[in-house]
Amino acid sequence: ETGVTQTPRHLVMGMTNKKSLKCEQHLGHNAMYWYKQSAKKPLELMFVYNFKEQTENNSVPSRFSPECPNSSHLFLHLHTLQPEDSALYLCASSQESRVSTNEKLFFGSGTQLSVL
Amino acid sequence: LAKTTQPISMDSYEGQEVNITCSHNNIATNDYITWYQQFPSQGPRFIIQGYKTKVTNEVASLFIPADRKSSTLSLPRVSLSDTAVYYCLVGERSKNFNKFYFGSGTKLNVKP
Repeated sequence: ETGVTQTPRHLVMGMTNKKSLKCEQHLGHNAMYWYKQSAKKPLELMFVYNFKEQTENNSVPSRFSPECPNSSHLFLHLHTLQPEDSALYLCASSQESRVSTNEKLFFGSGTQLSVL
Repeated sequence: LAKTTQPISMDSYEGQEVNITCSHNNIATNDYITWYQQFPSQGPRFIIQGYKTKVTNEVASLFIPADRKSSTLSLPRVSLSDTAVYYCLVGERSKNFNKFYFGSGTKLNVKP
């Protein structure tokens, strides 16, 4: 148990559906991240939130819409996805460091998304 | 965007010591080096972190030379359950916030 919970664990959706992925962290961290991992590929950073403010959007298509209502919760809203968006979506949190990169990322188990 | 380079894969046998080296030639003064382990269909898990010289914990050691342009993760006496992908990360600082880009990682295959 990492202290980061993602739901659902698996999701199958059609290209016209709208769904949301949820992430909750119980670690008191102030930074949260969405990563995408396609089959046999490295993790791709999608979004970063620090203190509820989005500080990074790594050229992610608008069909992915993140939301961070508070420091403990992070959502990824999905609409009109494509089959190539099928992947493992991972949420992570960390305690933001003001002076260095000595943060440690704590990951959830991920949501395995299949777009049909 | 990843600032690190690692071997794509390594093979080892149970009981051996495994050393995985990571290159980070452009590491900045305030950058730490962090290693993660990932099993299939799971999120990466923190292994060890260091800034310079040597760091050791209950699962691994991390060796960082004086110039900090590389680091070596050492796994003592690996077992089959250590078969995983190992990532070396050096954070990137932008506008007073950190971002962490993963490279390809090193797939370690431990054989019986």
